[in-house]
Amino acid sequence: AQSVAQPEDQVNVAEGNPLTVKCTYSVSGNPYLFWYVQYPNRGLQFLLKYITGDNLVKGSYGFEAEFNKSQTSFHLKKPSALVSDSALYFCAVRVFTGGGNKLTFGTGTQLKVEL
Amino acid sequence: DGGITQSPKYLFRKEGQNVTLSCEQNLNHDAMYWYRQDPGQGLRLIYYSQIVNDFQKGDIAEGYSVSREKKESFPLTVTSAQKNPTAFYLCASSINAAEAGVEQYFGPGTRLTVT
Repeated sequence: AQSVAQPEDQVNVAEGNPLTVKCTYSVSGNPYLFWYVQYPNRGLQFLLKYITGDNLVKGSYGFEAEFNKSQTSFHLKKPSALVSDSALYFCAVRVFTGGGNKLTFGTGTQLKVEL
Repeated sequence: DGGITQSPKYLFRKEGQNVTLSCEQNLNHDAMYWYRQDPGQGLRLIYYSQIVNDFQKGDIAEGYSVSREKKESFPLTVTSAQKNPTAFYLCASSINAAEAGVEQYFGPGTRLTVT
């Protein structure tokens, strides 16, 4: 079965420090990977995606993600964290069912950026 | 404004009652999706629709029903058969369901509480 795993329920980082939110995947075939962010009581916002090409993908709000095929990982990164980055982050993988494409989401990682 | 609207934001119902959650989009997207979000479980797909008058069950369709009579609208009915309906419900859309790399856009969500 195709899936993603987010091994950390919560990540704490000081403002100004680099942040990493981890995601590993398990797929058959080429992976199509996505990162979303959710602020409290809101819907999800798309951050970035990996389809093909460069392993370093740049997205919204200064976020980037590194695709690593050998480690089957797609970690989300930001060079300098802001307090406003505090939110719930979801990794997702495309699953093709024959009836169309679906996204399977990880369980989410709560990011807390402190002053 | 372009986007996805969900109404109401908060919904309270008594056990045994059916309830319908609204989802409307003006993005001209073909595909629409319904997810359920519970703490610590990420998002789980309830139903999705690739095109008008067509929809497929997702991973947790039992106790739910949908219709897709118009491209813009994809209402979700939570029936009395759903054993644990209290949750945060998210509607999403994508330009289509056939292309692997398309991202989904999410509405603000409806928090349903059943007592």
